[in-house]
Amino acid sequence: TQLLEQSPQFLSIQEGENLTVYCNSSSVFSSLQWYRQEPGEGPVLLVTVVTGGEVKKLKRLTFQFGDARKDSSLHITAAQPGDTGLYLCAGEKDTDKLIFGTGTRLQVFP
Amino acid sequence: DVKVTQSSRYLVKRTGEKVFLECVQDMDHENMFWYRQDPGLGLRLIYFSYDVKMKEKGDIPEGYSVSREKKERFSLILESASTNQTSMYLCASSLWELGIRNTEAFFGQGTRLTVV
Repeated sequence: TQLLEQSPQFLSIQEGENLTVYCNSSSVFSSLQWYRQEPGEGPVLLVTVVTGGEVKKLKRLTFQFGDARKDSSLHITAAQPGDTGLYLCAGEKDTDKLIFGTGTRLQVFP
Repeated sequence: DVKVTQSSRYLVKRTGEKVFLECVQDMDHENMFWYRQDPGLGLRLIYFSYDVKMKEKGDIPEGYSVSREKKERFSLILESASTNQTSMYLCASSLWELGIRNTEAFFGQGTRLTVV
């Protein structure tokens, strides 16, 4: 059973479009992280959100943690080809155990 | 520059072989993790360790064991490799800080294991 479900699983868009990726769970997490993974590499942390309702911005990326700390979203404005990659959310439960989501593979075409 | 190093990028083993995947980190992190990554399933936690000689089962520990004899090294062992263990294996480490439960996980580049 996957604790963290991401949607959509795949996203293929043109440069300049906006998109939103969702990360949902029935469990409460103490914090939620978003990572991006490029081919042949391990995931790299983008952001951590901790407080319910928290919104963080990283240039064109906006991250939100749900009020109940069960879900999160990642919104990308004016996507660029450099945004292409696998986006993974990860929730922290108990003793630093990190549970990852199912992943969203984004392809941005020029 | 922080580093998590996995011993092999690619590995091909035969069914029934005992397989060792090694991971070393140079950041003096307490926590270390082993995940496997399969398409559509994200990263699934196999085992993690929060201290030397300590280990906790993750979500899919069956068919695997781990060893943490030294703080910097966390080994994943496939006791008798099977074809359904063909996957990408990722090692990660993170810092444990009292009261701070959101430390960044640093990943190795992964080991793509094929069991034939």
